[in-house]
Amino acid sequence: QKEVEQNSGPLSVPEGAIASLNCTYSDRGSQSFFWYRQYSGKSPELIMFIYSNGDKEDGRFTAQLNKASQYVSLLIRDSQPSDSATYLCAVNIGPAAGNKLTFGGGTRVLVKP
Amino acid sequence: DTGVSQDPRHKITKRGQNVTFRCDPISEHNRLYWYRQTLGQGPEFLTYFQNEAQLEKSRLLSDRFSAERPKGSFSTLEIQRTEQGDSAMYLCASSLALNQPQHFGDGTRLSIL
Repeated sequence: QKEVEQNSGPLSVPEGAIASLNCTYSDRGSQSFFWYRQYSGKSPELIMFIYSNGDKEDGRFTAQLNKASQYVSLLIRDSQPSDSATYLCAVNIGPAAGNKLTFGGGTRVLVKP
Repeated sequence: DTGVSQDPRHKITKRGQNVTFRCDPISEHNRLYWYRQTLGQGPEFLTYFQNEAQLEKSRLLSDRFSAERPKGSFSTLEIQRTEQGDSAMYLCASSLALNQPQHFGDGTRLSIL
């Protein structure tokens, strides 16, 4: 079992719809959770982070964390063609693992006009 | 805030040659991380520094790889006797403190001929 798992997609959504991305992780000691957006050929760009159970909203993005079920999700509301990218889920297990980020393989999102 | 800077952006070299990459973190960020990303995969952790101390190295980092951060500011990653399998995007990230978000540079794309 991979430490961080994501559906590779592609997830195709019509413009204006909600894109829902999921990520599961295996280490119960994980402390912080991050979503990065990566356009083809570019480096990851931080879009959301969440530390506590529940929802966190920032503009059109909402991150949801459920530590008991070991999953974190990202909702993108009013999806735009510019949201077409690969979304990487990253987990920080904490000091015991050097605070490094462990990434999932990414979910490719395609927003169709 | 000038962001994380990496140099060069692209490097093409012949197998067996040595290469060195440089990363300048966001100023005042005392934690610096190196990751490697191959096509279709999420970034994989290589090593990280807190100030000038290298605190963890991944098993991915063979003896041909070495990283330094001599004065706790910029860092270099050297690969000796490059192999075809070293072809990848090498990403540098920095963070302000423990458990804080990591911000990535644009990466150095290495191609081995």
